[in-house]
Amino acid sequence: DADVTQTPRNRITKTGKRIMLECSQTKGHDRMYWYRQDPGLGLRLIYYSFDVKDINKGEISDGYSVSRQAQAKFSLSLESAIPNQTALYFCATSELDTDTGELFFGEGSRLTVL
Amino acid sequence: GQNIDQPTEMTATEGAIVQINCTYQTSGFNGLFWYQQHAGEAPTFLSYNVLDGLEEKGRFSSFLSRSKGYSYLLLKELQMKDSASYLCAGMDSNYQLIWGAGTKLIIKP
Repeated sequence: DADVTQTPRNRITKTGKRIMLECSQTKGHDRMYWYRQDPGLGLRLIYYSFDVKDINKGEISDGYSVSRQAQAKFSLSLESAIPNQTALYFCATSELDTDTGELFFGEGSRLTVL
Repeated sequence: GQNIDQPTEMTATEGAIVQINCTYQTSGFNGLFWYQQHAGEAPTFLSYNVLDGLEEKGRFSSFLSRSKGYSYLLLKELQMKDSASYLCAGMDSNYQLIWGAGTKLIIKP
């Protein structure tokens, strides 16, 4: 089983619908992140959380919200999806205070908004 | 502003050597990362450099020059499975990663 699991892996929805992408991890890491990836662009940070009580906006948080339900769970919500939120979404984790701060990514959630 | 530049696409031959360059501008600097991403899959960590010089790890090596804001990833003895995108990312003074758009590496037999 993957250490960082995202559900759903694929989702097609309509404009205006509420969507939740879920992420759970078994690595025991404190830090969790949500990124989106679009063709021709680098990964862009949506939100990040350094522990259950710490939530921070990334560079593109508008139109998104998150919830850190537990150390192992971090969900991303689109309250009213729009077509330009069509993208590949990645959850990632990292360990606090390591030499490299290496990120461990989930397998991705491909979202299509019609 | 903060920026990471790397070539969009490169082509190389199986068994050969390829160098993927990356230039970066970040507000402060806490290291330079390289990740590999196969099509439709998650990025996976390859290397991290925070000091100038070359870090070697098997067939892959990564180089950093902080004074030039420059890094490269060197892949030797290329194999077909090395066909992937290679993502360069700089870590700024807030320990946030700034990502390049990735270099798609195509390996030909």
